Amino acid sequence: KNEVEQSPQNLTAQEGEFITINCSYSVGISALHWLQQHPGGGIVSLFMLSSGKKKHGRLIATINIQEKHSSLHITASHPRDSAVYICAVELIYFQHRGSEKLVFGKGTKLTVNP
Amino acid sequence: DADVTQTPRNRITKTGKRIMLECSQTKGHDRMYWYRQDPGLGLRLIYYSFDVKDINKGEISDGYSVSRQAQAKFSLSLESAIPNQTALYFCATSDPSGGADTQYFGPGTRLTVL
Repeated sequence: KNEVEQSPQNLTAQEGEFITINCSYSVGISALHWLQQHPGGGIVSLFMLSSGKKKHGRLIATINIQEKHSSLHITASHPRDSAVYICAVELIYFQHRGSEKLVFGKGTKLTVNP
Repeated sequence: DADVTQTPRNRITKTGKRIMLECSQTKGHDRMYWYRQDPGLGLRLIYYSFDVKDINKGEISDGYSVSRQAQAKFSLSLESAIPNQTALYFCATSDPSGGADTQYFGPGTRLTVL
């Protein structure tokens, strides 16, 4: 059983649409990360969350610790948002030595058509 | 200039060959990581290092070794490459100070073992 599940696996949208990508996890975590992997392969960190909500430009990330669920929203989507979005969690039982072993979801491939 | 660089970016080799992938960073971070990414799977941790003298195995370290030559350099070696080590390899760094332990990824090395 995967510790981190993302849905959907693939998502196609029209430019301007509101996008939601979901991440559920089954383990105790200290934080959750959202990453973006460009078509060329490069990976960029978008958010790190331990509670509540964060916003950066058209991107919004939320987390509900009790429900073990996080969402990534993209408002007014644009073709340049096309990428794979990856959810990763920091396992809480590594905290005693200050590590942050990340467990990654398989990613959601987003395609935004003009 | 990129903060985290990887060399080579692409490599094709034959079964049984010894391969070294190199990672350099200019961010001044103590923590460095090696991950591999396979189609349909999430990123998986191979090795991580919290400083020059602290190196730890990740979840899939078999068949790999690492060397932390300096704070800025972390190399991954495949002692005797095999075809199922064909994958995209990423180096990353992080700095937990300030509370937001964001990971910064290199551009990736695409390795093919024939």
